[in-house]
Amino acid sequence: DIVMTQSPDSLAVSLGERATINCKSSQSVLYSSNNKNYLAWYQQKPGQPPKLLIYWASTRESGVPDRFSGSGSGTDFTLTISSLQAEDVAVYYCQQYYSTQVTFGQGTRLEIK
Amino acid sequence: EVQLVESGGGLVQPGGSLRLSCAASGFTFSSYWMSWVRQAPGKGLEWVANIKQDGSEKYYVDSVKGRFTISRDNAKNSLYLQMNSLRAEDTAVYYCARVRAVAGTLDYWGQGTLVTVSS
Repeated sequence: DIVMTQSPDSLAVSLGERATINCKSSQSVLYSSNNKNYLAWYQQKPGQPPKLLIYWASTRESGVPDRFSGSGSGTDFTLTISSLQAEDVAVYYCQQYYSTQVTFGQGTRLEIK
Repeated sequence: EVQLVESGGGLVQPGGSLRLSCAASGFTFSSYWMSWVRQAPGKGLEWVANIKQDGSEKYYVDSVKGRFTISRDNAKNSLYLQMNSLRAEDTAVYYCARVRAVAGTLDYWGQGTLVTVSS
C-alpha cells in the first residue's frame, strides 16, 4: 500500500497569513503515461463530510476559492492557503488514487492563532 | 443536484452483521465507480471499498477483506456495504462517495451513517 504522511499534524496560523500543509507519499503517484499526479486534497469541517478541494495535485475543484492551491510532483506535495480566513478552520487530508488501494494521509488540523 | 444518502447504521454486537445502503440521485449512477470511506470517532479517513460501474471489479482495504462486501443495484440507484464479523475497530461513520470519472477522486459525499460495534 502507498502510505501518505502529512506534516504537521496541527497548525495555527493568524488570519490573513499563509498556511502550508505538506504531504509525502511512500512511492511516486506520478503516472508517466499522462504525466499526472494522482493526488487530491480534501477539507473536513466538524460534523461534515469531506469536501474535495484539489485534484491532479494542482487542479482546483469548481467553486473552491483561489486562495487554495496545490503543488508538487512525484512523492512530495503541498497545499497552500494564501490568506487564511476564519472559515478555513478544518482538518485537511491528502489522498492518493494512483493505486486501486486508495489511501489518505492522517490529516492536518488547521486553527487560527 | 447530486445527493447521496446513507442508511442502515446502528449498534451491533461484536461478531454481528449490518448492511449499509446509499441512495443516489441527481446523476447517472450506473456511469460511476462508487466508494465507501469510514472515519472512526475522532480519527482520520479510511477508504474501505470501491466498486466499478457494472459491479465487475471490487477492491477492499486489507482490514475488511473477507468480512465486508460492496455491491450495487443500478436499477435502484443504490450502493450497499454488507458487513459481517464486525469488530470494535469497525466502529465509525461510514460515508458513501462518488468516484469522479477520469480522475479517481471522491467528488461527492453523503452525510454518513454511524456504525457502533459494542457489547
